[in-house]
Amino acid sequence: AQRVTQPEKLLSVFKGAPVELKCNYSYSGSPELFWYVQYSRQRLQLLLRHISRESIKGFTADLNKGETSFHLKKPFAQEEDSAMYYCALATGTASKLTFGTGTRLQVTL
Amino acid sequence: EAGVAQSPRYKIIEKRQSVAFWCNPISGHATLYWYQQILGQGPKLLIQFQNNGVVDDSQLPKDRFSAERLKGVDSTLKIQPAKLEDSAVYLCASSSGQWNTEAFFGQGTRLTVV
Repeated sequence: AQRVTQPEKLLSVFKGAPVELKCNYSYSGSPELFWYVQYSRQRLQLLLRHISRESIKGFTADLNKGETSFHLKKPFAQEEDSAMYYCALATGTASKLTFGTGTRLQVTL
Repeated sequence: EAGVAQSPRYKIIEKRQSVAFWCNPISGHATLYWYQQILGQGPKLLIQFQNNGVVDDSQLPKDRFSAERLKGVDSTLKIQPAKLEDSAVYLCASSSGQWNTEAFFGQGTRLTVV
């Protein structure tokens, strides 16, 4: 069965500091991984997906199949990055989406 | 494009009562998901539809929860009878159904069972 683990419930960093939100997954097949974000009072929305290999709002994430990880990184945190971040795994041809428990990122001055 | 619409936004009921949630996905989206998000936890998939057929309902408590997607468009999720532990946000999401596409989420319905 597929599983997504986000070990940190809360990550607090200073503005301008580097950010790394950890995500590990368990899946025997070929994984498709995503990061979703939920800003205060907004709906859950896609931030980025591993297959696109793109940088969104300065965030990047690299799939490491050896370590079964998909950590989210940003070199310099901004106040507007404060939000709830969820790592998600899509499996099967029907794209079943399994979410981790989420990490709250708090960027302070 | 219009987003995923859910109603109601909030609902408070007593335990053992029944409740229904409605979802209107993005037009043309074949896949529709219902998630339950308990406070402090990530969204948990309850049921996934592809058009009007069920793809996965392995985590749906079928003794009290039911869902349907008649005509492959709108969907309703029902709880009967509700328990205290059903208090959560119920999220509806839709996607085009193609491999590895983005899921778009509604605002959710916050259910409180007292």
